[in-house]
Amino acid sequence: GENVEQHPSTLSVQEGDSAVIKCTYSDSASNYFPWYKQELGKRPQLIIDIRSNVGEKKDQRIAVTLNKTAKHFSLHITETQPEDSAVYFCAAIVPSSGSARQLTFGSGTQLTVLP
Amino acid sequence: KAGVTQTPRYLIKTRGQQVTLSCSPISGHRSVSWYQQTPGQGLQFLFEYFSETQRNKGNFPGRFSGRQFSNSRSEMNVSTLELGDSALYLCASRLDGGSGEKLFFGSGTQLSVL
Repeated sequence: GENVEQHPSTLSVQEGDSAVIKCTYSDSASNYFPWYKQELGKRPQLIIDIRSNVGEKKDQRIAVTLNKTAKHFSLHITETQPEDSAVYFCAAIVPSSGSARQLTFGSGTQLTVLP
Repeated sequence: KAGVTQTPRYLIKTRGQQVTLSCSPISGHRSVSWYQQTPGQGLQFLFEYFSETQRNKGNFPGRFSGRQFSNSRSEMNVSTLELGDSALYLCASRLDGGSGEKLFFGSGTQLSVL
């Protein structure tokens, strides 16, 4: 089955600096890559996603890049703020039979933005 | 539109007991997935239900089971609880249409097994 590896497991940055989280996946058939943010005690929430026919996608301070050849994708957060502190999960979807798709998550990155 | 609702929010059980967790998806969403979240293990996929049928299953023992009702509400059951079953159980729903990959999570049920 699909395997998603995420690095680093913890990341501390100074407020205003950039943060980068990287994920690799094993199944070249994966075609959808969402990123979720989970604040302490709260539910995971989708913050950005990218499909395999796109190399990069931006949404304000957040961007995701995808390298299909190398099978890795990354989350970039610029001008970090304290409210960006959370656990971030990457994920990949492998198309199964019919429209059934199983979402496989990375192990998460605890991002801490220091004031 | 109301979000994904999970009940109860917290549960404390003892080893050997069984437990049932409930999930109400976003109105109109037909797919419900269940995940186990533990510190250091991330989010582990349990199973997915669509139109009352299980169509995907993760690598969990048969003690973990689920079902979905005609109104798309889903329940997850864990029998013969073990200490290692202590975790946050999250359910997520999605529309399952053309761009239906977006998953919306509930707040989870925190299960503690003593």
